[in-house]
Amino acid sequence: EAQVTQNPRYLITVTGKKLTVTCSQNMNHEYMSWYRQDPGLGLRQIYYSMNVEVTDKGDVPEGYKVSRKEKRNFPLILESPSPNQTSLYFCASSSRTAPSYEQYFGPGTRLTVT
Amino acid sequence: AQSVTQPDIHITVSEGASLELRCNYSYGATPYLFWYVQSPGQGLQLLLKYFSGDTLVQGIKGFEAEFKRSQSSFNLRKPSVHWSDAAEYFCAVGAPNDYKLSFGAGTTVTVRA
Repeated sequence: EAQVTQNPRYLITVTGKKLTVTCSQNMNHEYMSWYRQDPGLGLRQIYYSMNVEVTDKGDVPEGYKVSRKEKRNFPLILESPSPNQTSLYFCASSSRTAPSYEQYFGPGTRLTVT
Repeated sequence: AQSVTQPDIHITVSEGASLELRCNYSYGATPYLFWYVQSPGQGLQLLLKYFSGDTLVQGIKGFEAEFKRSQSSFNLRKPSVHWSDAAEYFCAVGAPNDYKLSFGAGTTVTVRA
């Protein structure tokens, strides 16, 4: 089954404790992206990657890091989480060869930073 | 840069009634337009998309949307809602040759019996 998976689905952590949220897709997509969803703000892009070893900042990159060492994986790293990073995070992927530009979303990771 | 406005934060509709969700976009050329739905506790599912051609687009679950260039709008409609349509709906705009999507703030739909 074609899908984007994220782990963990729920995470409660404390300020300053480094964490990684994993994202994996099995559709051989070149493009992957991370969004955060906050009430009243919709989804805002954090980082995206056009292919392996190619990443770039989105609209709200501060406090986040990403890497793309393999095509299928695109982890999101919070090196020193703060309470304002409490949010719902979504990973998405898309194919550059597809005309639809449709992005497939993972199920989301709800992060709470205390 | 593109942007999206969804003027209605929350809409309540009776089961069986029609539904229309508004979406206005800002973009200098013809954009790529999308509607996504997010059911409680779920990820986002694509309902429909517009790239070019016929301005009335059919999607899944009985939804349709109409692109109106003169009004910079892409409103979503459904003739008769079902209780399972209760969800949050997001309009998004993208640019050709650019994978960046800009999302609206979302509209929450409540369906009453």
